[in-house]
Amino acid sequence: AQRVTQPEKLLSVFKGAPVELKCNYSYSGSPELFWYVQYSRQRLQLLLRHISRESIKGFTADLNKGETSFHLKKPFAQEEDSAMYYCALGSTGTASKLTFGTGTRLQVTL
Amino acid sequence: DTGVSQNPRHKITKRGQNVTFRCDPISEHNRLYWYRQTLGQGPEFLTYFQNEAQLEKSRLLSDRFSAERPKGSFSTLEIQRTEQGDSAMYLCASSPASGGRYEQYFGPGTRLTVT
Repeated sequence: AQRVTQPEKLLSVFKGAPVELKCNYSYSGSPELFWYVQYSRQRLQLLLRHISRESIKGFTADLNKGETSFHLKKPFAQEEDSAMYYCALGSTGTASKLTFGTGTRLQVTL
Repeated sequence: DTGVSQNPRHKITKRGQNVTFRCDPISEHNRLYWYRQTLGQGPEFLTYFQNEAQLEKSRLLSDRFSAERPKGSFSTLEIQRTEQGDSAMYLCASSPASGGRYEQYFGPGTRLTVT
């Protein structure tokens, strides 16, 4: 069975500090991993996907198959990064459905 | 607004009543998903449509739940004989036929409260 674990419910950092949101997964096949973000009063939206190896809003995430991890990182946190972050695993079946973690709330304070 | 829309945004109902939610996906998207999110949890997959065909249903979707997408456009999710455990946010998402199949565009959700 596929599973996504986000061990931290809340991560509080100061503006300008580095950020690392942890995500571990369990999946028997070749994983496709994503980070979705939900800003206050907004809908859930895709932040980045591992396959494109892109940096969005300064965030990056590297898939580590050995450690089954896909941690989200940003070198310098900004106030506007405060949001709920969900790690998600895509299944390779018909539905291409997503399995989400429980989410981590990132709080960036001055 | 050309994004995914859901109606109603909020629904309060009494236990035992039936409720129906509607989702209008982005017009050129042929894939449509329903998820349920309870407090403190991430969204959980309920069901998937490709055009008008319902191709997958989660075990979470008991026989009190039914979903349709009659013409491959909008979709409805009906819950019969609601229970307090059905209280949750119901999210709809759509994605295009090709390319980014996992790039799911989410609606604002319908928050259901069963009293």
